[in-house]
Amino acid sequence: DAGVIQSPRHEVTEMGQEVTLRCKPISGHNSLFWYRQTMMRGLELLIYFNNNVPIDDSGMPEDRFSAKMPNASFSTLKIQPSEPRDSAVYFCASTLGNSPLHFGNGTRLTVT
Amino acid sequence: KQEVTQIPAALSVPEGENLVLNCSFTDSAIYNLQWFRQDPGKGLTSLLLIQSSQREQTSGRLNASLDKSSGRSTLYIAASQPGDSATYLCAVRSGGGATNKLIFGTGTLLAVQP
Repeated sequence: DAGVIQSPRHEVTEMGQEVTLRCKPISGHNSLFWYRQTMMRGLELLIYFNNNVPIDDSGMPEDRFSAKMPNASFSTLKIQPSEPRDSAVYFCASTLGNSPLHFGNGTRLTVT
Repeated sequence: KQEVTQIPAALSVPEGENLVLNCSFTDSAIYNLQWFRQDPGKGLTSLLLIQSSQREQTSGRLNASLDKSSGRSTLYIAASQPGDSATYLCAVRSGGGATNKLIFGTGTLLAVQP
């Protein structure tokens, strides 16, 4: 089991550019979560999917953020246009039912 | 709205000591509670998961307890080692129907001194 796979590991971009973060959940898991972690705010839930359907996106900060899950093995989080305050580590996690949540290693995003 | 608090924010202990980390939550209607460990620059590693019907879970030197009625959980680490140094986070899964989600505390930064 390869675990939750995120790419890229690091992303440095200029303000105004589009950023796409990718996630491959663990095979067989039916729930996928996107979190953002900063020193100031800790871990914040942005959005989560159940069976590929977005269930709760109340944590998505602005319309600049969007997430998709076209199939059970792939999800993207897009920021367009990016801003310096979006700089953070973005984590993807997956689970099946009420079993433990498994996290990827995260994408460290820096927007200059 | 579920809120999760962890005390203390940071803890430094000498090697070999037993220690307790605390987690409290405001809404007792939870599905489960999970303890994680995060090393610097890394993702989160699941340590223990306690379902709402359980009182405790054990794994090696770790023991986690859950008291839903008082909104509290503790993580007990026996005979601490320098390799235990990390940030420990608790997370509560709660919410109605299909909208249950995992809400994290702010974490306890643990340093075990050799």
